[in-house]
Amino acid sequence: DAGITQSPRYKITETGRQVTLMCHQTWSHSYMFWYRQDLGHGLRLIYYSAAADITDKGEVPDGYVVSRSKTENFPLTLESATRSQTSVYFCASSELAEGYEQYFGPGTRLTVT
Amino acid sequence: RKEVEQDPGPFNVPEGATVAFNCTYSNSASQSFFWYRQDCRKEPKLLMSVYSSGNEDGRFTAQLNRASQYISLLIRDSKLSDSATYLCVVNIPPGRRALTFGSGTRLQVQP
Repeated sequence: DAGITQSPRYKITETGRQVTLMCHQTWSHSYMFWYRQDLGHGLRLIYYSAAADITDKGEVPDGYVVSRSKTENFPLTLESATRSQTSVYFCASSELAEGYEQYFGPGTRLTVT
Repeated sequence: RKEVEQDPGPFNVPEGATVAFNCTYSNSASQSFFWYRQDCRKEPKLLMSVYSSGNEDGRFTAQLNRASQYISLLIRDSKLSDSATYLCVVNIPPGRRALTFGSGTRLQVQP
């Protein structure tokens, strides 16, 4: 049971480049989420999706784009990376509505130089 | 005021000790409460949900106090393997914002 996977696990990119972080889940969960985690801020929601082709902004969406053409995939794109987007990014999924328990992928550690 | 507040710690306790963490939340309409555990540089993992009547899972006991808007986690007979950061998680209605995570309380169990 693969659960929820993220790729790449580590990424270094330069300011201004576009980068896409991948998230894939095998549970057929309806809800998927992207968070970033920074020291002093805890986990902050970037975007979430209630189903294929349905996405919505979270607390810190600026500079990010998401899509969800298939239930199992939820890629996150940084259109023009900035140093302030250096962070650890976690993808999560939930079987039920937004207020229910979520299960996390292993994270992607992104450094923008 | 933060929506979910936790004492960051660290709590340094000897093996076998009992330790308790509290967490306060700001929205009285919140309905779902959880404790997650996060090991260094790894993903958060669900430890337990918190129910209105309180609930227990082995050495772990969670309590909810709606009147005072706080939840607690009690760990009995601490093990070295309990060393981690414990995240308090609450849903902040309306549901559009999904779950809101506290910044975590760090526990270090020492031999």
